[in-house]
Amino acid sequence: GESVGLHLPTLSVQEGDNSIINCAYSNSASDYFIWYKQESGKGPQFIIDIRSNMDKRQGQRVTVLLNKTVKHLSLQIAATQPGDSAVYFCAETYNQGGKLIFGQGTELSVKP
Amino acid sequence: DTGVSQDPRHKITKRGQNVTFRCDPISEHNRLYWYRQTLGQGPEFLTYFQNEAQLEKSRLLSDRFSAERPKGSFSTLEIQRTEQGDSAMYLCASSPRTGGSIQYFGAGTRLSVL
Repeated sequence: GESVGLHLPTLSVQEGDNSIINCAYSNSASDYFIWYKQESGKGPQFIIDIRSNMDKRQGQRVTVLLNKTVKHLSLQIAATQPGDSAVYFCAETYNQGGKLIFGQGTELSVKP
Repeated sequence: DTGVSQDPRHKITKRGQNVTFRCDPISEHNRLYWYRQTLGQGPEFLTYFQNEAQLEKSRLLSDRFSAERPKGSFSTLEIQRTEQGDSAMYLCASSPRTGGSIQYFGAGTRLSVL
């Protein structure tokens, strides 16, 4: 659901299930996208990236899908594990400007 | 550890004091970025350097904030006359080449202004 103030959207899944985290990005000119994982008290950790000339990219247990028509990104995590519990952020950049613009974040909670 | 290093990890200060944070990027990364993150929000861009040149500053970076990267290696972020609203996590990131490459983040410096 939507978040207000300090409340992040939360996704709760059972261990072993697949997770899908969604992100709407803001700029149709954005040409590079990154998903980060952030655990409490730590900096964001790179998970996977995708360029705007692609619509899908796969990593180890993770897949990113890009739909430029509706400015939507998703992160799929296969066989979710307790160690995947964290806040996940999408980030975009454009015109090779360098700075990242982060989305709101989704808190993933994995139940054993 | 060859990742991005930030110092200190935590800083508690009184309102009106000056504070300085340091960031050591991954070796040979020529771009260095500063972001600020408040509770429950994503990081917000503050400024970035390519080598020693400061290429962009956000309007979030008021006159009380200054960042330097004098030799194109480590960087410092100084906040003068701190305010309670400056309380946040200050994150540093570096990337190996121009435009569209992965930014690797440090663990951040958590600032609390009393």
